[in-house]
Amino acid sequence: QKEVEQDPGPLSVPEGAIVSLNCTYSNSAFQYFMWYRQYSRKGPELLMYTYSSGNKEDGRFTAQVDKSSKYISLFIRDSQPSDSATYLCAMRKTSYDKVIFGPGTSLSVIP
Amino acid sequence: GAGVSQSPSNKVTEKGKDVELRCDPISGHTALYWYRQRLGQGLEFLIYFQGNSAPDKSGLPSDRFSAERTGESVSTLTIQRTQQEDSAVYLCASRGGPGELFFGEGSRLTVL
Repeated sequence: QKEVEQDPGPLSVPEGAIVSLNCTYSNSAFQYFMWYRQYSRKGPELLMYTYSSGNKEDGRFTAQVDKSSKYISLFIRDSQPSDSATYLCAMRKTSYDKVIFGPGTSLSVIP
Repeated sequence: GAGVSQSPSNKVTEKGKDVELRCDPISGHTALYWYRQRLGQGLEFLIYFQGNSAPDKSGLPSDRFSAERTGESVSTLTIQRTQQEDSAVYLCASRGGPGELFFGEGSRLTVL
C-alpha cells in the first residue's frame, strides 16, 4: 500500500462546477497537509497548507483534513478553465520532515 | 535569483552515460529536496537536505543515484550509468522554514 493514495482521474467538469479532490493516507503520524497545483511542464506551486484536522478557506479553495479517517479534501468553487491542472496532495510528519506527495489528479474545466 | 533555478532544463543522453543535474535554491533556504516525476505520475521523493543535518537519502532508488549539497547553497544530483527507466523530470525544491516548498521548473532527462 502506498503511503498516500489519490484518484488519478482525469476529472472533467463544466465551468462553474464545484470540484472535490481527495487523498487518503496510511501513516497516522502525518500532521502537516498541503495541496499543490501543477500546470503542464511547470513545477508544482502551493495552493493550501494546513496543520492537523479542520477546514481552511482561501478564496474559491477550501481544504479539509479528517485525521481520524486519514482523509483530506480540496474543494474548488466556481471552477474556471484556468483551474485545469494536476492537483497533488502532500503531507509530512513534523515541521522539518520530508514531504510525501500523492500521485496527483488531473483536472480539466471545460468552458 | 528570486526562485529556484535548475539546469539543464533538458538533457538527452545515451544509456550508460553519467549525468549531473544542478539546483540553485532560494537564497537563505535551509532545506532542499529532490523529486523524480515520471510522465503522468506523481512526485517520487529522492533525497532531502536540512541545514547541517545528515541528508535523508531514503528515496534514492539505487546506488547509481547520489546527491551533494554545499552548505546551504547549490545541490547536484548525479546519476551514474544511466538507464532508460531514469528518463523523467527531476524537480528540486527549497524551503526556508516550516512552510511551503518552492519548486524549480525541473530538469527533463531523456535516456536513449
